[in-house]
Amino acid sequence: EIVLTQSPGTLSLSPGERATLSCRASQSVSSTYLAWYQQKPGQAPRLLIYGASSRATGIPDRFSGSGSGTDFTLTISRLEPEDFAVYYCQQYDSSPRTFGQGTKLEIK
Amino acid sequence: QVQLQESGPGLVKPSETLSLTCTVSGGSISSYYWSWIRQPPGKGLEWIGYIYYTGSTNYNPSLKSRVTISVDTSKNQFSLKLNSVTAADTAVYYCARDRFQNDYWGQGTLVTVSS
Repeated sequence: EIVLTQSPGTLSLSPGERATLSCRASQSVSSTYLAWYQQKPGQAPRLLIYGASSRATGIPDRFSGSGSGTDFTLTISRLEPEDFAVYYCQQYDSSPRTFGQGTKLEIK
Repeated sequence: QVQLQESGPGLVKPSETLSLTCTVSGGSISSYYWSWIRQPPGKGLEWIGYIYYTGSTNYNPSLKSRVTISVDTSKNQFSLKLNSVTAADTAVYYCARDRFQNDYWGQGTLVTVSS
């Protein structure tokens, strides 16, 4: 099973700042099969990025994804108040599909 | 707009079977894969498995011996059964459309395992 490790566990930033979230895989993942989700309290996860770098429908362009192999990054260029949430990466390159443990993005 | 809604008991006794149904509206269940994903309180996400509308399935090996996912295309529904539950199965259970990534999700339903 591919283990995804996200860092940092918690990221404290202010609105307007840039956020960089990391997802590292225990073995190589095809970039076609890496996604990022946002989850707010009491809500279902929301797909942000798929195929490592493609934005899902309706996702603002301040969200971007990059990476390949074992290292992937989600970048939020300028944080808006509604961006403070928990973010998960997911690989669907091999079964079982796995998620990272999450990065909590909190207001500083 | 595709919408998914989970339904089923919110409380299940230990050793019994957890049964949930996901109803898909705003689109056909055909031609897609459909997943179940769960999240224990305060913890991360765990993929349970998926089903294709034809009935073919793929399960997480960690749950495979206890899980059955089925589909009813006539009702635009798919279902989850998890048997021999314990307190460790207490979680919010989500159904989601699966296009490798999960693009549409239900709101989730909390299932508590307790006597």
